[in-house]
Amino acid sequence: DQQVKQNSPSLSVQEGRISILNCDYTNSMFDYFLWYKKYPAEGPTFLISISSIKDKNEDGRFTVFLNKSAKHLSLHIVPSQPGDSAVYFCAASESIQGAQKLVFGQGTRLTINP
Amino acid sequence: NAGVMQNPRHLVRRRGQEARLRCSPMKGHSHVYWYRQLPEEGLKFMVYLQKENIIDESGMPKERFSAEFPKEGPSILRIQQVVRGDSAAYFCASSPITDTQYFGPGTRLTVL
Repeated sequence: DQQVKQNSPSLSVQEGRISILNCDYTNSMFDYFLWYKKYPAEGPTFLISISSIKDKNEDGRFTVFLNKSAKHLSLHIVPSQPGDSAVYFCAASESIQGAQKLVFGQGTRLTINP
Repeated sequence: NAGVMQNPRHLVRRRGQEARLRCSPMKGHSHVYWYRQLPEEGLKFMVYLQKENIIDESGMPKERFSAEFPKEGPSILRIQQVVRGDSAAYFCASSPITDTQYFGPGTRLTVL
């Protein structure tokens, strides 16, 4: 049962353009969402998060949008840079008793072309 | 402030041996999480620990796997009698109280 889904295994974007990565979830109890970036042979690096009480959070070139009714979130990167080429994971959690067990999507491999 | 430390980075074991993976959380972080990533898949939650307590082990296989986070020292994920299907990348994350999790570089376990 895949509660968090990233339906695009890969995405190719030209340098300078906008990258949009999508994520869908099924568990309506999820109330906190995160995006992580991962390079090969390294651990995931935290990028940006959003609480379910918000619909948008912005940090520099990165913006996350949350549509609770559609159970959908997206990560926008603008402008895209070559160093953004990595695998991006969407994650969600349900805060019970302070625990924050993360449920991850399968990842989307983003390639930024010069 | 050093990040989450994991060692070893690479571990090779033969079937039937034991694997011990260590994780030192970031300074000031009292919550530790272990995740496993199989090839071409996302990370899967295994266990959540605080000092000397297992809070949630719902993702841990019922047999051969155990985890601890002692009062002193790193958190340990222990896999007894390893099988080929245990080959994966094991990531540890730490956080302050109910905050963003920060991940270590992972331990890549290969079972021959």
